[in-house]
Amino acid sequence: NAGVTQTPKFRVLKTGQSMTLLCAQDMNHEYMYWYRQDPGMGLRLIHYSVGEGTTAKGEVPDGYNVSRLKKQNFLLGLESAAPSQTSVYFCASRPREPGELFFGEGSRLTVL
Amino acid sequence: AQSVTQPDIHITVSEGASLELRCNYSYGATPYLFWYVQSPGQGLQLLLKYFSGDTLVQGIKGFEAEFKRSQSSFNLRKPSVHWSDAAEYFCAVGSGGYNKLIFGAGTRLAVHP
Repeated sequence: NAGVTQTPKFRVLKTGQSMTLLCAQDMNHEYMYWYRQDPGMGLRLIHYSVGEGTTAKGEVPDGYNVSRLKKQNFLLGLESAAPSQTSVYFCASRPREPGELFFGEGSRLTVL
Repeated sequence: AQSVTQPDIHITVSEGASLELRCNYSYGATPYLFWYVQSPGQGLQLLLKYFSGDTLVQGIKGFEAEFKRSQSSFNLRKPSVHWSDAAEYFCAVGSGGYNKLIFGAGTRLAVHP
């Protein structure tokens, strides 16, 4: 089973470039999340979605946009990348009923 | 706003010794509480969770955690650590109707032979 799949897994950008991270889940989950992980700071919530067509801001939303046009996909966009956005990004999903989050394997982004 | 504090950034234990990782949370209502583990270069794996009921919960790999409402704590324990337990451990709290899951900064565990 694929579970939660993130693409790409690695990317290097120059400051000012744009890119989109794709998260796809095949578990028919309602909720999806984007986190960033930085040393000593744990995982911080960027944006999340409680269903198709809906999104909401998390703890650190600035500089990011998201879209949930299809239930199985959750896109994270960087319109103008900055070095401060160098991080490892994790996508996660869960069903409507309260339970664990299922995580992807992460996407390492470096902004030069 | 809800928050999670893991006071210990790094912990080193000897193989076979007992382990306790601390987690304190700030949240008004009864929270949903989780412990996740992350091995180097990997994603996160759920160790255990608490939603309600018995305050001592058992998880995978021999881990357990105890919810103490009076102390706003959810500490993770293991009676005998194995070298393969070396990893980073994250405590997390779900709130806001459990729309969001907020993580602590993590505790990195090293295990000496």
